[in-house]
Amino acid sequence: QSALTQPASVSGSPGQSITLSCTGTSNDVAGYEYVSWYQQHPGKAPKLMIYDVSNRPSGVSNRFSGSKSGNTASLTISGLQAEDGADYYCSSYTTSGTVFGTGTKVTVL
Amino acid sequence: EVQLVESGGGLVQPGGSLRLSCVSSGFTFDDYAMHWVRQAPGTGLEWVSSISWSSGTVRYADSVKGRFTVSRDNAKSSLYLQMSSLRAEDTGLYYCAKAIRPIAASGLDHWGQGTLVSVSS
Repeated sequence: QSALTQPASVSGSPGQSITLSCTGTSNDVAGYEYVSWYQQHPGKAPKLMIYDVSNRPSGVSNRFSGSKSGNTASLTISGLQAEDGADYYCSSYTTSGTVFGTGTKVTVL
Repeated sequence: EVQLVESGGGLVQPGGSLRLSCVSSGFTFDDYAMHWVRQAPGTGLEWVSSISWSSGTVRYADSVKGRFTVSRDNAKSSLYLQMSSLRAEDTGLYYCAKAIRPIAASGLDHWGQGTLVSVSS
């Protein structure tokens, strides 16, 4: 159950688009269509942004989109806004449970 | 409104035990799987355990297998985590989270505010 690999940090200017990656293996990301993404602001509980690779829960902005290719999932944030600055975690169902990614800190310049 | 309220955290010595509880409201508890996720201070999220709607399928992270036991009482809309043989590395904020479907293979759409567990002598 090794953590999924995410870049430690990604930054962008307001209005730009950024893409966060999440790399796993055939036992998790590549093997199932159950990748989720979470946003976490300091001192707050995580918030579900994407589930089942590319589905947005109601209330989540359509500026957030998800995709997957092989063992790598991606979260794209378009039209970057100041409030998007947060930590982002991917997660995947696995053969033995669930696993989270290492997390990416998004900085809005 | 969906609410998840954790309790039971505290300071415990290494080798000790704790039982965490999560009381839910605002949704039909027995229609959904539930998870425990923890976060050590200043670090990322770590999945701990999951339990399906009927308790028929339970899963644990390798780091807690054999020491932690997850359970649920659908009549009380409550989720539990019995933790034993606690170690310093079990220290962290423990979140209760609701899955979006009856089985664990799904996103977690509602989270509690967490209960803090500190393992130290």
